[in-house]
Amino acid sequence: AQSVTQPDIHITVSEGASLELRCNYSYGATPYLFWYVQSPGQGLQLLLKYFSGDTLVQGIKGFEAEFKRSQSSFNLRKPSVHWSDAAEYFCAVGPSGGYNKLIFGAGTRLAVHP
Amino acid sequence: DTAVSQTPKYLVTQMGNDKSIKCEQNLGHDTMYWYKQDSKKFLKIMFSYNNKELIINETVPNRFSPKSPDKAHLNLHINSLELGDSAVYFCASSLTVTEQFFGPGTRLTVL
Repeated sequence: AQSVTQPDIHITVSEGASLELRCNYSYGATPYLFWYVQSPGQGLQLLLKYFSGDTLVQGIKGFEAEFKRSQSSFNLRKPSVHWSDAAEYFCAVGPSGGYNKLIFGAGTRLAVHP
Repeated sequence: DTAVSQTPKYLVTQMGNDKSIKCEQNLGHDTMYWYKQDSKKFLKIMFSYNNKELIINETVPNRFSPKSPDKAHLNLHINSLELGDSAVYFCASSLTVTEQFFGPGTRLTVL
């Protein structure tokens, strides 16, 4: 069955610290991979995506993610977290062909201490 | 502004009522979606339309009926609302196999 697992429901980091949010997926073929961020009361904003090519992808707001096929992972990282990064982060997978049915993980809520 | 917009932003109604949520995108995309986000923030796709044609229809009660009058609009009508329908409903759009752009959401509360 197709699924996305975000093992960490809630993470707290100090401002300026590094961040890594984990994402593992189960998918029949090589999927397209996405990270979205949802600020309180807002819609989802795309941070970055992986379709093919370089397995380290850069996104907006200083985020990056690395696709590791052998581990079925697509972890999100940021070297130095800002207070404004506090939000809910969602990993999603979708088919690399055909219609774009995204499957989302349960989300990781990030809190940032000053 | 180029974006995905939804109306209304908030919707409070009584059980048994019928309500609609509207979605419009001016991004020139050919595919539109409805997602439901429950109280635990879990997001699940409900429907998808490509060029006004229904292409994804998850196991959603038939009280929910999407309608796409044109490529830029996808509305969601809900009959006989139930308490369990309370959620945030997100519209999204994309070109067929690319990233999806989400609207701001409609928070539906059924009393």
